[in-house]
Amino acid sequence: EVQLVESGGGLIQPGGSLRLSCAASGFTVTSNYMTWVRQAPGKGLEWVSIIYSGGGTFYADSVKGRFTISRDKSKNTLYLQMNSLRAEDTAVYYCAGQSRGYSGYQWGQGTLVTVSS
Amino acid sequence: QSALTQPASVSGSPGQSITISCIGTNGDIGNFNYVSWYQQLPGKAPKLMIYDVSNRPSGVSNRFSGSKSGNTASLTISGLQTEDEADYYCSSYTTRNTLVFGTGTKVTVL
Repeated sequence: EVQLVESGGGLIQPGGSLRLSCAASGFTVTSNYMTWVRQAPGKGLEWVSIIYSGGGTFYADSVKGRFTISRDKSKNTLYLQMNSLRAEDTAVYYCAGQSRGYSGYQWGQGTLVTVSS
Repeated sequence: QSALTQPASVSGSPGQSITISCIGTNGDIGNFNYVSWYQQLPGKAPKLMIYDVSNRPSGVSNRFSGSKSGNTASLTISGLQTEDEADYYCSSYTTRNTLVFGTGTKVTVL
């Protein structure tokens, strides 16, 4: 069974940094497309970043230059390094892995990031 | 990176059919047969309902079906049930190698 478990969220001051982790089981993070999606309180889903199986990485304009997506094959874990955090980055962050066909993703339960002083 | 356009809300009575539209551009939906649909219940993570335009994962009711024409994708729920009340989001790859989500649709069963 595919399972993704996010961790690392919390309360952080504006300008601070945080690293989110997404541990995968029943699933290989280096063999599938992996992505981060966020959802601000009461809002819709917003795509954040993707890492393709070949290693290519892409970002939403809103986080480009501040966030970095990466993965560790030995730990079968996906990461999102978030720097220069802003109040508007406050959201539940979900990791999702390609699990069905080309566009079907399995999601983790999410981790809440709150950026506030 | 503009979001795909969905109606804010759609409603129907039990047993009826409803259709949610998802309007994109030639840079996303129109260029790929890789549209997916997700159901999100309050306080829960999104759940995959349809992938690659019209494919249903095992365990998802056959009352859910997907289609695409040009730059517009659609999700149809037939035989509407109270358990179908949720938010629904479409998603597509883009020509910039990114993903884009729809604005979301709240489905209400009257």
